[in-house]
Amino acid sequence: EDQVTQSPEALRLQEGESSSLNCSYTVSGLRGLFWYRQDPGKGPEFLFTLYSAGEEKEKERLKATLTKKESFLHITAPKPEDSATYLCAVQARGGADGLTFGKGTHLIIQP
Amino acid sequence: NAGVTQTPKFQVLKTGQSMTLQCAQDMNHNSMYWYRQDPGMGLRLIYYSASEGTTDKGEVPNGYNVSRLNKREFSLRLESAAPSQTSVYFCASRSGGANEKLFFGSGTQLSVL
Repeated sequence: EDQVTQSPEALRLQEGESSSLNCSYTVSGLRGLFWYRQDPGKGPEFLFTLYSAGEEKEKERLKATLTKKESFLHITAPKPEDSATYLCAVQARGGADGLTFGKGTHLIIQP
Repeated sequence: NAGVTQTPKFQVLKTGQSMTLQCAQDMNHNSMYWYRQDPGMGLRLIYYSASEGTTDKGEVPNGYNVSRLNKREFSLRLESAAPSQTSVYFCASRSGGANEKLFFGSGTQLSVL
């Protein structure tokens, strides 16, 4: 059974204070690892897809990295508008369709 | 540029009542999904449809039925609602190709009393 564990559950940072969110996964052959952002009352919004260990992707203040067992979402010099819940998900190669999601990290950036 | 549209946004049901959640996408995607999101549980897959005319069970299908009406529309039906089905429901569709991703609707908040 595919599993995704995200840590920490919640994180409070000061504006400009860089940090990293962790996503550990167990999957029978990784097809892709996905990061989403979710704002209160809205659906998840796509950020990144990573396909193989060593791959990195960046978007503004966010950078996602992938190893064979975990992924990190690095947030550099965050701003209050980066406050959201960040979700990690995996898709297994050759398995049933759909993504397996972690429970998310609730990030608060204080001005 | 609507993307994935869900209706209704909010619904309150009594135990035993039935209802259908509607979902439509305008991106010509083959695959569509229904997820539920509960506090402390994360998003869980209820049903999915890999193409028009096909549907398959996900992780938590009990108490639900789905219909892939055409390529655009994928509906979720609760035949006899139970309090355990109180949740936020999200529909999604998937783009293919080298950079595949899920596009989500804005969700339906359902309360079953």
